[in-house]
Amino acid sequence: EPEVTQTPSHQVTQMGQEVILRCVPISNHLYFYWYRQILGQKVEFLVSFYNNEISEKSEIFDDQFSVERPDGSNFTLKIRSTKLEDSAMYFCASRSSRNTEAFFGQGTRLTVV
Amino acid sequence: DQQVKQNSPSLSVQEGRISILNCDYTNSMFDYFLWYKKYPAEGPTFLISISSIKDKNEDGRFTVFLNKSAKHLSLHIVPSQPGDSAVYFCAASTNQAGTALIFGKGTTLSVSS
Repeated sequence: EPEVTQTPSHQVTQMGQEVILRCVPISNHLYFYWYRQILGQKVEFLVSFYNNEISEKSEIFDDQFSVERPDGSNFTLKIRSTKLEDSAMYFCASRSSRNTEAFFGQGTRLTVV
Repeated sequence: DQQVKQNSPSLSVQEGRISILNCDYTNSMFDYFLWYKKYPAEGPTFLISISSIKDKNEDGRFTVFLNKSAKHLSLHIVPSQPGDSAVYFCAASTNQAGTALIFGKGTTLSVSS
């Protein structure tokens, strides 16, 4: 069964460092998303990506965040200068069309120290 | 601004009984609704969805009901099983390209045997 895969499963980084979280969405999907969940809180939308551009982003997705789909298969989230409050589970998701379910990866646990 | 609300943080049910999880929304533009199940340290897993043109959708033990006039949906699980114990998230989206799924805060369901 096709699945969304995320690497690494756990990333520890020092405050101020750049991190890149990687995702391989399901191959025929067209819509891509990043979400995060801070421990004990709800799943929060960060950004959606469609047709090689950002289609929507939340207020969380500020200038320190960026996304790329560099090679038609990978979908990456970059955090330029990490802060302690960026520590969270980051989930990538993809969906084939608008009114269908999104499939989520297993997540990357980012710990900023 | 909480567009999707799950007002009950937790629910405890005995095995074999019905579990009813509730969700309210404020954005009248939402036209597609989903329920996800999430275990700790895993990504959300899609359970069932409903389009705004319907008021009920059933899949095995899971049924989702939508009341558009009340901006309310509910997930019924019957009969409940201990393996159903997880966090359940309600999510919603609008009919626009690349639009985000907006999640509620989740309800933790505990099914005891």
